[in-house]
Amino acid sequence: DVKVTQSSRYLVKRTGEKVFLECVQDMDHENMFWYRQDPGLGLRLIYFSYDVKMKEKGDIPEGYSVSREKKERFSLILESASTNQTSMYLCASSLWAGRNTEAFFGQGTRLTVV
Amino acid sequence: AQSVTQLGSHVSVSEGALVLLRCNYSSSVPPYLFWYVQYPNQGLQLLLKYTSAATLVKGINGFEAEFKKSETSFHLTKPSAHMSDAAEYFCAVSGSSGGSYIPTFGRGTSLIVHP
Repeated sequence: DVKVTQSSRYLVKRTGEKVFLECVQDMDHENMFWYRQDPGLGLRLIYFSYDVKMKEKGDIPEGYSVSREKKERFSLILESASTNQTSMYLCASSLWAGRNTEAFFGQGTRLTVV
Repeated sequence: AQSVTQLGSHVSVSEGALVLLRCNYSSSVPPYLFWYVQYPNQGLQLLLKYTSAATLVKGINGFEAEFKKSETSFHLTKPSAHMSDAAEYFCAVSGSSGGSYIPTFGRGTSLIVHP
């Protein structure tokens, strides 16, 4: 089974803190993604990466950065957390192979910024 | 660009009743479409996917979806709802970005099942 593991299920951080969300996958997938999930808005893509050290902005990259130093690990960084970044964050991975490949998701990290 | 629209943010059915969750797509090329399910406090998992091999796609847990090009639809159905089907359901399309394929999701439909 493909496993995508997010380091924390729940996080509470203070406004202005630098926050790291970690994600590791064990199936040698090329693609990795960070989504943000908010009620009524579905999943919105923050960043994705198709290879080590490669990254592309998604639909809502403002206030976020990412790091992919190893193929299996993709980190999301909130440079200076704000209350409007309180949300559920989902990491996913997929093979690069083609359009018919599905994404595999982690359990999610529910972040609260106070 | 490819996109999907899910009609209805909430659908409520009685246990044993037919489940119908609606999804329409917009795509300039033949689409690759997916349905995912999210149970409370969990990540998403794949229910089924359409890859042009057959218009009627069967998935896990008794769900199926039919691709209708004339209606640009990919609705999800299940003949008889169970309490355990209560979850959030997302339709998705595989869009391209610089050679990579990015899942683009609808806003989701929450399925409520009454006893």
